[in-house]
Amino acid sequence: GEQVEQRPPHLSVREGDSAVITCTYTDPNSYYFFWYKQEPGASLQLLMKVFSSTEINEGQGFTVLLNKKDKRLSLNLTAAHPGDSAAYFCAVSQGGSAKLIFGEGTKLTVSS
Amino acid sequence: EAAVTQSPRNKVAVTGGKVTLSCNQTNNHNNMYWYRQDTGHGLRLIHYSYGAGSTEKGDIPDGYKASRPSQENFSLILELATPSQTSVYFCASGDACFYAEQFFGPGTRLTVL
Repeated sequence: GEQVEQRPPHLSVREGDSAVITCTYTDPNSYYFFWYKQEPGASLQLLMKVFSSTEINEGQGFTVLLNKKDKRLSLNLTAAHPGDSAAYFCAVSQGGSAKLIFGEGTKLTVSS
Repeated sequence: EAAVTQSPRNKVAVTGGKVTLSCNQTNNHNNMYWYRQDTGHGLRLIHYSYGAGSTEKGDIPDGYKASRPSQENFSLILELATPSQTSVYFCASGDACFYAEQFFGPGTRLTVL
């Protein structure tokens, strides 16, 4: 079945620096991709979802890049601030299934 | 706004005891899910449901049962709790399509002594 590898497991950056989290997956039939943010002690909140074969989506302070050829999904926080400190999870779903396969998560710490 | 609630929020149980975790959603979503979250494993799917009366096994169903008596409610049952089931459990709901996002509840922290 599908396997999702997320790196790095821990990431520490200074305020204003960029932070990049990457997920790779194995199943070429994976179609839909999600990034969730989990603040300490809280639940998961959707950051963004992407569907196209190669897509760059920009949100508030971050960019998501999907490259289906390389089976790689990345989240780039362009100028991190302490409020971005949280755990981030990628998730992958496949056609015909409502299940999500999650990466192991990245704990991001942004220091001022 | 999407609303998924879980009860209890914290639970301490004894080994061998029965534990029921409850989830309620007001989103009118067909699909509901139970995950557990452990350090180093991300979220792992235990059981899920496509609608009232249906339950499906996820990736790690052993030691767990699920019940979906209505569109709104989805329960996770540990008939004989073990310390290895100590974890944080999340319930989620989502539309019945494979591009739908899932909306998560606040989580239940379960400790089995």
